[in-house]
Order: sequence, then C-alpha cells, then structure tokens
Amino acid sequence: DVKVTQSSRYLVKRTGEKVFLECVQDMDHENMFWYRQDPGLGLRLIYFSYDVKMKEKGDIPEGYSVSREKKERFSLILESASTNQTSMYLCASKLMNTEAFFGQGTRLTVV
Amino acid sequence: GESVGLHLPTLSVQEGDNSIINCAYSNSASDYFIWYKQESGKGPQFIIDIRSNMDKRQGQRVTVLLNKTVKHLSLQIAATQPGDSAVYFCAENPSSGTYKYIFGTGTRLKVLA
Repeated sequence: DVKVTQSSRYLVKRTGEKVFLECVQDMDHENMFWYRQDPGLGLRLIYFSYDVKMKEKGDIPEGYSVSREKKERFSLILESASTNQTSMYLCASKLMNTEAFFGQGTRLTVV
Repeated sequence: GESVGLHLPTLSVQEGDNSIINCAYSNSASDYFIWYKQESGKGPQFIIDIRSNMDKRQGQRVTVLLNKTVKHLSLQIAATQPGDSAVYFCAENPSSGTYKYIFGTGTRLKVLA
C-alpha cells in the first residue's frame, strides 16, 4: 500500500517560532508537493520538488522554504510563523502524469 | 479537516440514490483529470482518473464523465452510502509534462439516512 506520511497531525506554535513540517513517501516518486488548504480556497501550492535538492516555488511561497535532501523526504519550513499561516498543510507525491498521493495532513495553529 | 467544507456547495442525497457531482475545469489543453474524496480530518484520497482521449471511465460504483466541448467533468456515485459523505474535488493537469495540478474548491456530499 502506498504511503505518504506527515510527521504530525496537529501542531500549535507561537508567533515567530521556526516550524518544520516533515513528509516521507515510500513510493520512490520524483515529485513531491506542499499545499495548504483553507476554507473556500481549495488547495494552494506552496512549493514543489521534482528531484533531490531541486525545488520550485508554487503559487504562495512567501513565508515558507523547503528542503529535499533525500528522495523520500520533503520538508516545509516556516521561518517565522505568523497567525495567517494557521492552516491545514498537505504533502503529496506523484510520478509524472499520474495521480498524486496525499498525506493525512497537518493542522497547524499559530497563536 | 472539519473546517474545509464550511464554505462549500453542498449536495444532499438520500441513501441508496445516485449522486452526481460536477466540476468545471479551466484549461482546454488539460489532458488528465482526477477526482479526490476528502473525509473530515483526513487527507484527500484518489477515487478515479480519466485522460483527455476518453469521455467516460467506470470504477467500482463510480463513473467519471468528461465533456471537453464545455470543459466539464462529473463524478457519478451509484447507490450512495453513508460512508460516501465527504468533500469531493476535481483536479486537472494543465498539459502533459507539467508537475502541477489545478484543484477545484470542492463539493460537500451529505448522505441522508
């Protein structure tokens, strides 16, 4: 069974903290993605990576960075968390022209 | 999660009836389409996909129809069950070789007992 695993289901962080969200996939997929999901806005792409150490900005990269040191792991970093980054964060992985597999999501609250 | 569906259009269907969920996509060059199901508090789950060289594809209890003329995609669920209650959204791949999907905002399906 294919698996995309996010390190936390729920996180509460303080404004200004550095936050790491981790994602691991076991399907040997080249492509990995970080999305955020907010009511009424659907999934918005933050960053994606098509290979180890490669990354590209998505539609809303401001305030975020990513790291992909190994093929199976893609990390999202909030350099200085702010309350407007309170959201559901979803990691996904896929091959080219196939369906994306999603993790279970991390609900982040910044207080 | 729970708050994702608060502002979504809602389709209420009696248990056992068929459900039809619609999606208008944006790019006439899109060549691949997917339907996802998202239950409360969980990540999206793949249901069925269809490529642009087809206009219909069937799975177990689900059928996807693609109308390229009007850029419309629909998901039909036969004999809807309580476990089908979720948010459903479509995704399109804008063109072959791209990495990014365009996602719809979704429809909440409520199954009435």
